[in-house]
Amino acid sequence: AQTVTQSQPEMSVQEAETVTLSCTYDTSENNYYLFWYKQPPSRQMILVIRQEAYKQQNATENRFSVNFQKAAKSFSLKISDSQLGDTAMYFCAFRTNTGNQFYFGTGTSLTVIP
Amino acid sequence: SAVISQKPSRDICQRGTSLTIQCQVDSQVTMMFWYRQQPGQSLTLIATANQGSEATYESGFVIDKFPISRPNLTFSTLTVSNMSPEDSSIYLCSVAGTSSNTGELFFGEGSRLTVL
Repeated sequence: AQTVTQSQPEMSVQEAETVTLSCTYDTSENNYYLFWYKQPPSRQMILVIRQEAYKQQNATENRFSVNFQKAAKSFSLKISDSQLGDTAMYFCAFRTNTGNQFYFGTGTSLTVIP
Repeated sequence: SAVISQKPSRDICQRGTSLTIQCQVDSQVTMMFWYRQQPGQSLTLIATANQGSEATYESGFVIDKFPISRPNLTFSTLTVSNMSPEDSSIYLCSVAGTSSNTGELFFGEGSRLTVL
């Protein structure tokens, strides 16, 4: 069975600083996708960044980057130069390459402090 | 990408009533997914809505409580039947990326239901 674990229910960071959100997962699959989603308060859930398991290079999207450690089954999200608009719930998610079932972590509530 | 519209965005309902949530996608998709997000919780998959066949329900969810329609490739509805306060949640419609290279889910804005 696939599981996704986010061990940090809440985090905070000063504006302009860097913060890392943790995510670990468990699977017996070799090919899969990993995602970080952002859900601002009362707003739509949107994709932040995506990583294909077969790619060794860590994905980067502007201020967002991941540290993907396949052997350790770890997929952390780093937010650089944090902005007030980054305040949101962040969900780590996993999907196998063959199925359409997504597995979500319990989320990390991030607050960016002015 | 896909643009997904959900209606209603929020509603307050009385115990014992039923409410139907509509989901419209701007492109044809094979599968649509309905998730529930209880207050402060993560997402739980209710069912997968397949066009031309019955929805596939996850463990703990039944058709009598959450009937789903999928009349065409761009539209689906989820009904929450005989509601109780425990059904107070955000209900999210989503679709998978149509490109085999993306693999991501796109979400609607959600329907926030409060049952009194």
